[in-house]
Amino acid sequence: DADVTQTPRNRITKTGKRIMLECSQTKGHDRMYWYRQDPGLGLRLIYYSFDVKDINKGEISDGYSVSRQAQAKFSLSLESAIPNQTALYFCATSEGRTYGYTFGSGTRLTVV
Amino acid sequence: AQKVTQAQTEISVVEKEDVTLDCVYETRDTTYYLFWYKQPPSGELVFLIRRNSFDEQNEISGRYSWNFQKSTSSFNFTITASQVVDSAVYFCALYAGGTSYGKLTFGQGTILTVHP
Repeated sequence: DADVTQTPRNRITKTGKRIMLECSQTKGHDRMYWYRQDPGLGLRLIYYSFDVKDINKGEISDGYSVSRQAQAKFSLSLESAIPNQTALYFCATSEGRTYGYTFGSGTRLTVV
Repeated sequence: AQKVTQAQTEISVVEKEDVTLDCVYETRDTTYYLFWYKQPPSGELVFLIRRNSFDEQNEISGRYSWNFQKSTSSFNFTITASQVVDSAVYFCALYAGGTSYGKLTFGQGTILTVHP
């Protein structure tokens, strides 16, 4: 099994629908992140969490919300999806001391 | 604030050519880490290297080499004798403290295409 698992891998949804992207990890890391990738813009941080009770907005949090259900689980929700949220989404974890990051395989989301 | 700039949006080379991907970063922190990731067409992010700000030694790994220069805030990546399998998007990233504590800041990415 992968260290960081994202589900679903691909999703097509309609404008206005609520959708949840899920991330689970077996690394035992406290820190988890959600990034969004758009062509020509690199990866941009949406939300991050340093432990279950610590959740912070990133640079592009508008239109998104997150839930840290447990140390190993960090979900990203789009309450009312819009077409410009079509992107590749990555979940990542990190261990503070070594600054090593582990990325999931990504979720390709299309909002039509 | 932290910033990473990869000025080359796309690079196209012919197999066996050497190619250098540029990365310039900005940070006020004295302790920071720099990364390179490769994203092949399959989409996953593949970690290539991590370098801390106190270690300016260049690094070579097979056909890959990295040139870290604090004086110019650059961390450039060279592929020697490129191969078709090197075709991918390459990202440079920065981890620093301060207001960006704990967060990885990415450059825009460089699309490398290696033609046979």
